[in-house]
Amino acid sequence: SQQGEEDPQALSIQEGENATMNCSYKTSINNLQWYRQNSGRGLVHLILIRSNEREKHSGRLRVTLDTSKKSSSLLITASRAADTASYFCATGGIMNTGFQKLVFGTGTRLLVSP
Amino acid sequence: DARVTQTPRHKVTEMGQEVTMRCQPILGHNTVFWYRQTMMQGLELLAYFRNRAPLDDSGMPKDRFSAEMPDATLATLKIQPSEPRDSAVYFCASGLEKYREPNQPQHFGDGTRLSIL
Repeated sequence: SQQGEEDPQALSIQEGENATMNCSYKTSINNLQWYRQNSGRGLVHLILIRSNEREKHSGRLRVTLDTSKKSSSLLITASRAADTASYFCATGGIMNTGFQKLVFGTGTRLLVSP
Repeated sequence: DARVTQTPRHKVTEMGQEVTMRCQPILGHNTVFWYRQTMMQGLELLAYFRNRAPLDDSGMPKDRFSAEMPDATLATLKIQPSEPRDSAVYFCASGLEKYREPNQPQHFGDGTRLSIL
């Protein structure tokens, strides 16, 4: 399975601290994406990193990708209580049938306390 | 902001009943996805449409589930007959797939929380 596995499963930090979440996957990918899900809501796309990129920034988010290790990390700097959510990585690949599919990981639950 | 709209947001019904979930994708998007989310299985892809044509429904129990796109503004997911194990949150997502740029970001609705008693 191409499914990503996030680590840790849960993370609890104080406001102002940095939060780092990791994602590992198993097969070759076209890109890797990170999504956030607030309680009771749908997933929201945060950032996409292509397989030929190593690092990408968006505001307080920094994503790295190491295709040799089949892993990615998401760093949220200067966290806020509003960052409390579950974070998912999703790997994009092309199946043998030509169908393009995103496979979502199991998620990291982040709790940021004031 | 353009959004994917799903109805109903909540549905409680008895087993054996037919359930229909609806989704309005973002105008201009050419792909629609149906997912099911449970604590045990996480997020599972049920069906995938491109330009309204069903391309993959391998994740869907064929005997009771069906997915259609009668037009570009409406996607439906039906369960008949429903069973307690179908209880989950069902998400619809849409995206804009580009030539030679696969796996574009997906935009999710807020889901239908389904409870089958």
